Parts: sequence; structure tokens; C-alpha cells
Amino acid sequence: GQQLNQSPQSMFIQEGEDVSMNCTSSSIFNTWLWYKQDPGEGPVLLIALYKAGELTSNGRLTAQFGITRKDSFLNISASIPSDVGIYFCAYSGAGSYQLTFGKGTKLSVIP
Amino acid sequence: EAQVTQNPRYLITVTGKKLTVTCSQNMNHEYMSWYRQDPGLGLRQIYYSMNVEVTDKGDVPEGYKVSRKEKRNFPLILESPSPNQTSLYFCASSWDNSYEQYFGPGTRLTVT
Repeated sequence: GQQLNQSPQSMFIQEGEDVSMNCTSSSIFNTWLWYKQDPGEGPVLLIALYKAGELTSNGRLTAQFGITRKDSFLNISASIPSDVGIYFCAYSGAGSYQLTFGKGTKLSVIP
Repeated sequence: EAQVTQNPRYLITVTGKKLTVTCSQNMNHEYMSWYRQDPGLGLRQIYYSMNVEVTDKGDVPEGYKVSRKEKRNFPLILESPSPNQTSLYFCASSWDNSYEQYFGPGTRLTVT
């Protein structure tokens, strides 16, 4: 599968700060997904993006599907301790059932 | 409760001893998949299945087998495990044409 470049690899932030992470690829995709993995658990879908330029919010989370269809970002506003975990971007190609995940961004929130 | 279950949750075994990790979902999902998670490498897909008796290779299928004889079950088989298969394994399922995959709790496998 194609490689996704997800950055940063890890982040340490103070509670209350905003967070931004992104994924880029050299290929064009039809779908961008953002998952969160809490410590000791399986990933859970946060936001799904299906259209170039799409901006979607889920509570304090906002994600955008880049206009070029080669990138996506996830923002978390006013971080809280339960935001700790690993955030993964993922994509699926047109007509494909195969999901490819980025390497993840590990978020630590300092109370 | 809608869920994906995996067994066992933890397993320590020796090189070459065949093992099976079971996965079961109670949501009547058609699509199921296996991933392995390794530090610094994220989640990599091993195999997936679009329906009963329909499976296909993911990105890292070497050393693994799967079967899908029933809709709810998708076991992962390691015929001759090796130490490089020490990893955290996740099973996932979803509806057809949906990207919202529901993940199981994970199986931590150590091969010595």
C-alpha cells in the first residue's frame, strides 16, 4: 500500500492548549479517516472525510480534507487529559476495502 | 452490546508452535480485517475479508492464514510462528461500503 506521512510523531502539551496534526501523501485519495487509540484499547473512528475541501467537526475536534486530496489535518481545541492517546490518519482508495493507516501521533497532555 | 471480541488477549508461545487467534463480531458486518501494530510502524493490514469465503491479502500477509467460514468469525492462523511475529494484533469489522471499522480489544502475542 501507499505510505502516509503523519506528523508530528509525538506531542507533549499543556491542558487547555490547542493541538494540530496532519497527514500527507504523494497520491490522491477519496477518503480520509481519523482514528484515536486510547491506551490498551483498539482504535475508534473520530471523523470521516469524503470530499476534497470538506471540513467536519466532532465536538472539540475538527478535521479537513485537503483541496489537493493529498492531505488532511486534525485539530483538537482546548485539550483535556482524556485526549491522551495515539491518533491515526487512514485512507482508502476508490472502490477498495483496504484501509492504510499512518504511523500515528502520540499525544500526551500535561495537567 | 455491539462488539468485536478477540481471544486470547495475551499469548506467549514458542517458535514453530501453531496458534490461532479468534475474532468474532455480533453486528452482522460483512467486512472483517486483521491488523498488527508495532512501535513506530502504526497499524498494518494483514488480511481482510469482504464476505463469507472471500478473503484477500493486506500489506503484510506473509506467515499468516485466515478463513471466513461464517459471517461472524474471522480467525487468524499462524502455522509456524516466528519471533518477528511478536506484535499487538487487532481484528476489525464494518458494514459493506462503510469505512467505520469497529476494532476489537487487541491480542498481545509474544513468540520466543
